[in-house]
Amino acid sequence: IAGITQAPTSQILAAGRRMTLRCTQDMRHNAMYWYRQDLGLGLRLIHYSNTAGTTGKGEVPDGYSVSRANTDDFPLTLASAVPSQTSVYFCASTEQPNTGELFFGEGSRLTVL
Amino acid sequence: AQSVTQLDSQVPVFEEAPVELRCNYSSSVSVYLFWYVQYPNQGLQLLLKYLSGSTLVKSINGFEAEFNKSQTSFHLRKPSVHISDTAEYFCAVSGLTGFQKLVFGTGTRLLVSP
Repeated sequence: IAGITQAPTSQILAAGRRMTLRCTQDMRHNAMYWYRQDLGLGLRLIHYSNTAGTTGKGEVPDGYSVSRANTDDFPLTLASAVPSQTSVYFCASTEQPNTGELFFGEGSRLTVL
Repeated sequence: AQSVTQLDSQVPVFEEAPVELRCNYSSSVSVYLFWYVQYPNQGLQLLLKYLSGSTLVKSINGFEAEFNKSQTSFHLRKPSVHISDTAEYFCAVSGLTGFQKLVFGTGTRLLVSP
């Protein structure tokens, strides 16, 4: 089934450790996004990429980095995790950014202790 | 820049009752508006969207929303809810030009009970 695959589904991580959340899509969408979802705050954009080879910062980029080596993959890296990065992370993609129809993965729940 | 306000964090309702989930937006430019739904332990799914044309837009499962430019609102309504409508609903906005990034509201949890 076409869509977005995120891994891991859930992870507990010690503070200070490095962590990469993986995101792969098979829809050949140009635009991809990483959001974090926190209770009472909704979804906030971390980083985005409008095409392979380019990335941009969203609303809350500090402590995170991304890369877009090809169309399908958009990994999110926490270089040195902190407890405030405990959240549910969603990857999304779209063929047409201006129409707003994003396709979301099922999320990665990250707990930083 | 755009912003979205969903004042109701939670809306409890009985099955078969009508419901309205409120959404107000702020923007200095024209916008596109969206409602997304998130069922438990899942990602978000697009429910409906307003891009242009008729200000009343409908989803396949009975929800509708009306774009009101003068009141900067895009409230979501359903005349009769089902237990299966229990979910979190997010209103979102984006500008019209360039590479747009959706701005989401904080969400409204709809709780439908028998």
